[in-house]
Amino acid sequence: DTGVSQNPRHKITKRGQNVTFRCDPISEHNRLYWYRQTLGQGPEFLTYFQNEAQLEKSRLLSDRFSAERPKGSFSTLEIQRTEQGDSAMYLCASSLGQGIYNEQFFGPGTRLTVL
Amino acid sequence: GQQVMQIPQYQHVQEGEDFTTYCNSSTTLSNIQWYKQRPGGHPVFLIQLVKSGEVKKQKRLTFQFGEAKKNSSLHITATQTTDVGTYFCAGPGGSNYKLTFGKGTLLTVNP
Repeated sequence: DTGVSQNPRHKITKRGQNVTFRCDPISEHNRLYWYRQTLGQGPEFLTYFQNEAQLEKSRLLSDRFSAERPKGSFSTLEIQRTEQGDSAMYLCASSLGQGIYNEQFFGPGTRLTVL
Repeated sequence: GQQVMQIPQYQHVQEGEDFTTYCNSSTTLSNIQWYKQRPGGHPVFLIQLVKSGEVKKQKRLTFQFGEAKKNSSLHITATQTTDVGTYFCAGPGGSNYKLTFGKGTLLTVNP
């Protein structure tokens, strides 16, 4: 399967714990995005990488959130001191980035539940 | 900031009926994308429209981009049960890279 993969698929944690999610994009894609989706809503942009550079972060991304893409391949999203409001589906997407044409391929997501 | 609004929020149809969802932006868009998300699944890219007044067809699906590039629509002819899911429009959110999604239209089809 050469699609976008995410691990874990599900994560249940207690409030105050730290969690880390991983995303493996399609190998030749230079752009990588993280989105958050809650029930009944569309995905909300969190952050964007072009290769290893993090070029944009949403104001939604508090100081408790950090993302990396160390070698321009896989990416990790860490949430420190989780809160119940962090419960959501975290989606990763990648794209080839050919000018204005920017079809994004989404992974299956990591569903986070904070108790 | 840019907002993308979709109507209706829900649509229930009988199999064989047509379906249309509408997307409106508060600002002019350089392009618009449409995605489909099946229940329990992840968004899957359907199409990207770039030109003013553009119309594209994919089998029973017809996509339109308004002349002013501030609105778009997706029309499905003769719906089938496989069309069930949430249809999202998405526009560039201040850059050509990130996307601002609408809330989506949930389509259910009664066989």
